[in-house]
Amino acid sequence: DIQMTQSPSSLSASVGDRVIITCRASQDIVNSLAWFQQRPGKAPRLLLYAASRVESGVPSRFSGSGSGTAYTLTISGLQPEDFATYYCQQYYSSPSWTFGQGTKVDI
Amino acid sequence: QVQLLQSGAEVKKPGASVNISCKVSSHAFPISGVSWVRQAPGQGLEWLGWVSGYDAGTNYAQKLQGRVSMTKDTSTATAYMALRSLQSDDTAVYYCASTKDSYSPPGNWGQGTLVIVSS
Repeated sequence: DIQMTQSPSSLSASVGDRVIITCRASQDIVNSLAWFQQRPGKAPRLLLYAASRVESGVPSRFSGSGSGTAYTLTISGLQPEDFATYYCQQYYSSPSWTFGQGTKVDI
Repeated sequence: QVQLLQSGAEVKKPGASVNISCKVSSHAFPISGVSWVRQAPGQGLEWLGWVSGYDAGTNYAQKLQGRVSMTKDTSTATAYMALRSLQSDDTAVYYCASTKDSYSPPGNWGQGTLVIVSS
């Protein structure tokens, strides 16, 4: 099974900050990497897929990069609505998926 | 945008079974299938399995093998997940999710079904 290691597990930030979250896969997942945002009590929301492609309707302050086994999510200019938990997910081994442990972004 | 509508919360005793449904709003069951993911209180996301929209084939997480069944009813565009021999660590919110094709991440999620296992 492919393991996903996400860091940090939590971070504190302020409005306007740039935030970077990293995700590492246990093997090459060939950019089959997605990022999700989850607010309390809500279902996850797809932000990016294929490592760097932004889902329709997602603000441009969200961006992704990486290749092979190492990927990052960057939020440029944190907004109040961005305080949430973020998860990476590999879908290289679809239909079997693996999620990272999550990163909680709070004030 | 496809919407997925899940059945309501359940409270079960240890050893019991639970059945959760997930109805697809488009009235057409996605060929790429429906996956199930759960989230225990305060924890992360855990993939549970998938049922194919093409041939009803399934793929389950190893830790649930033998306790879980995922099926579909194409006529009603509904997916079902049954989990047997419930234990307290099965307490979680269970989500169904669908993708636009077989090699994409889930862009559509149900609202979640809370399952509480308690004596």
